[in-house]
Amino acid sequence: AQSVTQLDSQVPVFEEAPVELRCNYSSSVSVYLFWYVQYPNQGLQLLLKYLSGSTLVESINGFEAEFNKSQTSFHLRKPSVHISDTAEYFCAVTRLSSASKIIFGSGTRLSIRP
Amino acid sequence: NAGVTQTPKFQVLKTGQSMTLQCAQDMNHEYMSWYRQDPGMGLRLIHYSVGAGITDQGEVPNGYNVSRSTTEDFPLRLLSAAPSQTSVYFCASSGSSLDYTFGSGTRLTVV
Repeated sequence: AQSVTQLDSQVPVFEEAPVELRCNYSSSVSVYLFWYVQYPNQGLQLLLKYLSGSTLVESINGFEAEFNKSQTSFHLRKPSVHISDTAEYFCAVTRLSSASKIIFGSGTRLSIRP
Repeated sequence: NAGVTQTPKFQVLKTGQSMTLQCAQDMNHEYMSWYRQDPGMGLRLIHYSVGAGITDQGEVPNGYNVSRSTTEDFPLRLLSAAPSQTSVYFCASSGSSLDYTFGSGTRLTVV
């Protein structure tokens, strides 16, 4: 079975600083990978996903993630964060053979200090 | 507006009561899922469905039942509520692109 580990439960950073949110997955077969964002008191929104092709994927608001098969990682990065990026971020994984069964990590709370 | 609609938004139950959380989507998505969200544990998959008439268990299915009689609806039934089922419940749906759309959640308290 697949699983996801988000190593940091909280990440505090200053505004305009770079940030990396770490995600490692465990699966013996090929996977699809996702990052979701949850703003306070809201549902989750898809930020970006890796299904195939280029291992570097980008979102419309400046985040990017790189699929690293050898390290089984899918870390999320942004070169310069804004106060509006304050949210909880969830990494998720699914196997190609059962793509509708998506498993989430425990989440990383990103707090931005002015 | 297109999307995933969950009802009710809030619910308080007594231990042993049963209830159904409703979930409906109008995007003709074949995939639908139910998750529960608890502090520090992320989202855990309860049940999921790949189409009408087809459901399967997720990570934490005990105490919950689902059915999928239509493409649009995917209700979650709590058979006999327990305090351990106090949580926020999210329904989500997707097509083959796997761009899941989440509902706004149901906050359930079992006393």
